[in-house]
Formats: sequence, structure tokens, C-alpha cells
Amino acid sequence: DAMVIQNPRYQVTQFGKPVTLSCSQTLNHNVMYWYQQKSSQAPKLLFHYYDKDFNNEADTPDNFQSRRPNTSFCFLDIRSPGLGDAAMYLCATSRETRGNEQFFGPGTRLTVL
Amino acid sequence: DQQVKQNSPSLSVQEGRISILNCDYTNSMFDYFLWYKKYPAEGPTFLISISSIKDKNEDGRFTVFLNKSAKHLSLHIVPSQPGDSAVYFCAASRSGTYKYIFGTGTRLKVLA
Repeated sequence: DAMVIQNPRYQVTQFGKPVTLSCSQTLNHNVMYWYQQKSSQAPKLLFHYYDKDFNNEADTPDNFQSRRPNTSFCFLDIRSPGLGDAAMYLCATSRETRGNEQFFGPGTRLTVL
Repeated sequence: DQQVKQNSPSLSVQEGRISILNCDYTNSMFDYFLWYKKYPAEGPTFLISISSIKDKNEDGRFTVFLNKSAKHLSLHIVPSQPGDSAVYFCAASRSGTYKYIFGTGTRLKVLA
């Protein structure tokens, strides 16, 4: 089944210790997104890629970086996690044609100790 | 500034009745709207969408209504089933972007 996979599902890191979350897709979609979702809040877009073109949201902290080495994979790097970065991180993909819905992975829940 | 708002955090409905979930937006440039359903420990899954050129879109038990002048959309589920119990998010997008702005979600509980 074509899908969006996120690993790990649960990640625990220490305050200030770099962490990388990964996302892969078998849908061959051009666009990939990273969202941060905190409890009872809306998923907040951090950045998205259209192919290799990186689009950062203006209010995404510099602490968050992303890499997309190929169509299938996308990584979220948090250079120095703070307690406020504890959240669910959702990866999503969509086809380049506007009007297509996003397909989401199951998310990675990040805990910062 | 929350551009997409779902003012009801939760809703309980009896099985077989209609569920109505509401969503308001502030940006008149939004022209495409989607509803997603999310079960615990899963990512959101697409449910139904509507373009601003329409005021209604129907898919089985799910109907989305769009009132552009009021900047309001609603999702109707009829009849509601216990398996519909989930968190529902509305999302909005505008031409020329691939970005979607999400609401905070409404938790629907359908009582058997």
C-alpha cells in the first residue's frame, strides 16, 4: 500500500541534544510538509518542499532544519531541542497539482526531558 | 492570528442523528477547503473538500457547505455512526500556494 511512514513513532531526547525525525513516502508526491502540533492546537506548518525547493515559514524557529535528499525521504532536524519543542510532528505529502489533498503519516511524538 | 477557527472543541451526537461541525475563516483569499478526520495515534486522513466555486459538495454520508459571504463552512454527517467518533480538522488554502492552514479541530463523539 502506498503510504507515508514516520520513524520513530515516539522519540525522547534531552534538552539541547540534537534529534532527527524521518519521513518517507511511497506515493511519489512532489510536495512534502512538516507540521508541528501541540495538544489541542492546530497543526502548524513548519516548512514544505516542492521537489527540492525548500519553503520555510516565516515564524519557524532557526532551531528547526529540514533535508530532502530525494523524492522519497524528508528529515526534520531539531538542533537544540527545548522543552517547548515537545509536540507531535506530522509529515505529509501531496501531488503538485493544486486541489489535491495531503496524505499524512502517523506522526512522531517528541518528548524533551 | 488564527486564520481558520473551529470554535467548538467537542460535540456529542446520538447515533443515527446528524452531526454538524463548523469552521470559520478570516482570509478572503482562501479558495479551497478540506476536512480531515483523525483517530488517536494516527495521522489525519482526508475526508472531503470544496472549492470556492461551489457552495456544496457531497460524498456519501458527508456533505460540506460553503458560505463565502459569511466565510463559514460546515461538515454534515448523516446518519452519524459510532465509527465517526474522531477529531475533525478543517483546512484552507489559496491559489498559488501549496500551503494549508488548519483549524484547532473538533472532537466528535457519536453515542451508541
